[in-house]
Amino acid sequence: EVQLVESGGGLVQPGGSLRLSCAVSGFTFSNYAMNWVRQAPGKGLEWVSFITDGSGSIYYADSVKGRFTISRDNAKNSLYLQMNSLRDDDTAVYFCARYGGSGTYYFDSWGKGTLVTVSS
Amino acid sequence: QTVVTQEPSFSVSPGGTVTLTCGLSSGSVSASNYPSWYHQTPGQAPRALIYNTKIRSSGVPDRFSGSILGNKAALTITGAQADDEFDYYCAMYVASGIWVFGGGTKLTVL
Repeated sequence: EVQLVESGGGLVQPGGSLRLSCAVSGFTFSNYAMNWVRQAPGKGLEWVSFITDGSGSIYYADSVKGRFTISRDNAKNSLYLQMNSLRDDDTAVYFCARYGGSGTYYFDSWGKGTLVTVSS
Repeated sequence: QTVVTQEPSFSVSPGGTVTLTCGLSSGSVSASNYPSWYHQTPGQAPRALIYNTKIRSSGVPDRFSGSILGNKAALTITGAQADDEFDYYCAMYVASGIWVFGGGTKLTVL
């Protein structure tokens, strides 16, 4: 069974930093690209970042570019999101989502998310 | 910046058919936007329904179908059930490595 479990969320002050993790199991992590998607309270989904299976290509939404860094450790079956210079509007549940595979262009499996609250 | 538009809400009768749509501010939706669809109960993880315009994700019943209608992507649910009450989101691949989600449609079955 495919499982993705996010952790690392919490309360942080504006301007602060936080590192999210996503531990995966049930599939060969090193064969799949991965994503982070977030959802502000009461709002819709927002794609945040994408990383290929070997970390060779990385992309970000304009809203987080220059502040967030996606990375992965295939030996540890883990995906990460380093978030710096956090702002109030970064408050959201952050989901890790598996890319469906070559030629599919979608997010086929999702974790339950971890809540990040940016507030003073 | 590309915006993806969805109806904020929609209502369907039990057993009825409903079509939700997804448009692009930059113009017409095409197959190369690889439209995908998800549904979500607030507070829960989204679930994938459709990808690459019309391919059903694993385990999704054939009551759900995807297409491009005119200049928009569309998700059609036939034989709507009470269990189909979710928020429905579309996502578009708009540039290399970049996706944009629509604002979501809240579907009511009554």
